[in-house]
Amino acid sequence: ETGVTQSPTHLIKTRGQQVTLRCSSQSGHNTVSWYQQALGQGPQFIFQYYREEENGRGNFPPRFSGLQFPNYSSELNVNALELDDSALYLCASSLGGSGTYNEQFFGPGTRLTVL
Amino acid sequence: DQQVKQNSPSLSVQEGRISILNCDYTNSMFDYFLWYKKYPAEGPTFLISISSIKDKNEDGRFTVFLNKSAKHLSLHIVPSQPGDSAVYFCAASERGNNDMRFGAGTRLTVKP
Repeated sequence: ETGVTQSPTHLIKTRGQQVTLRCSSQSGHNTVSWYQQALGQGPQFIFQYYREEENGRGNFPPRFSGLQFPNYSSELNVNALELDDSALYLCASSLGGSGTYNEQFFGPGTRLTVL
Repeated sequence: DQQVKQNSPSLSVQEGRISILNCDYTNSMFDYFLWYKKYPAEGPTFLISISSIKDKNEDGRFTVFLNKSAKHLSLHIVPSQPGDSAVYFCAASERGNNDMRFGAGTRLTVKP
């Protein structure tokens, strides 16, 4: 059973650019959540995908968007990058959808630096 | 708005002693609480959880206590081991809402 993997590990972009981060969920999991963790803070919920549909969104602007594919892997896209977008981006997979409490398994994260 | 707070950024304890990590929350709608542990260069790992219908949950050396009236929970580790050294995050969620809220974390150092 493979765990949650994320790519790339590190990424450096400049302001105004666009970035795509990728996540492969744990085998058998149909739900993926994305979090942003700024330095010295806890993870902040960006959004969740359940069976390829967005299933909840945190307080992030529309330039943060996502996709979930039929194999339940997922992408996080951020347009018009700003300096404050520099953070660790975590992906977590779980089994289940809205209204359920299921343990989330986190990937190691992608460290994004915006210059 | 920080609905989950961990007011101690760091905690240092001696091996074999008890570690107590604290967490406060403001949203009375939260009904499920979790603790995660995070090592450097790894994602958070689920440790233990508690539902609001309980006030205690135990798993080996780890016990979580929930005081709903005070909106406070704590994680007790007994006995503490050097391998427990990590950042611990408290998280809370509300049934039907997928927005899990995390605290800022407490860095625990267990000294041999």
